[in-house]
Amino acid sequence: KQEVTQIPAALSVPEGENLVLNCSFTDSAIYNLQWFRQDPGKGLTSLLLIQSSQREQTSGRLNASLDKSSGRSTLYIAASQPGDSATYLCAVVGGTSYGKLTFGQGTILTVHP
Amino acid sequence: DGGITQSPKYLFRKEGQNVTLSCEQNLNHDAMYWYRQDPGQGLRLIYYSQIVNDFQKGDIAEGYSVSREKKESFPLTVTSAQKNPTAFYLCASSKNRHDSLRDTQYFGPGTRLTVL
Repeated sequence: KQEVTQIPAALSVPEGENLVLNCSFTDSAIYNLQWFRQDPGKGLTSLLLIQSSQREQTSGRLNASLDKSSGRSTLYIAASQPGDSATYLCAVVGGTSYGKLTFGQGTILTVHP
Repeated sequence: DGGITQSPKYLFRKEGQNVTLSCEQNLNHDAMYWYRQDPGQGLRLIYYSQIVNDFQKGDIAEGYSVSREKKESFPLTVTSAQKNPTAFYLCASSKNRHDSLRDTQYFGPGTRLTVL
């Protein structure tokens, strides 16, 4: 059974700092990995999708990497801003016949001015 | 604007009642999903549907039921058999059932259900 773990559970940083969020998964037979952002009481917003054949994806200040063989992904946020404060969720699609996402518990990020 | 809408935003249920959560999408997506989120936990899949008039159980389907009579609609009923229904419910969709393994899933704003 696929399990996804995110470290740390919470992170507080000053504005302007570069930071890394970690995600690990137990079954390396994945089709893709997604990073989502969730604001309090809101739905999820997709940030980056990495297919299993890819090593990384970039969007603006965000860069996500994938090392399938070791079961790890990182989300790098450059020059953090208070508006980046949210919960960041990692999810994988594994070897099933439908697009079931298995989620980690999330990392709560606070960027203070 | 294309997107996914969920209603109501907040819902209160008395013990023994069935309640239905609405999910509508105008993205012309084939696949739709229902997830449940509990505090401090990731999302867990309740039901999914890849095509009209077809749906499958996810990991925690007990006490829930769904229908998919129209492509754009995937309502979720929380029955009295669900013993711990208080949670945040999220609906999602993805473009094409044949590519559902590779597509991004788009999420609605969620419905918070509380049992009184």
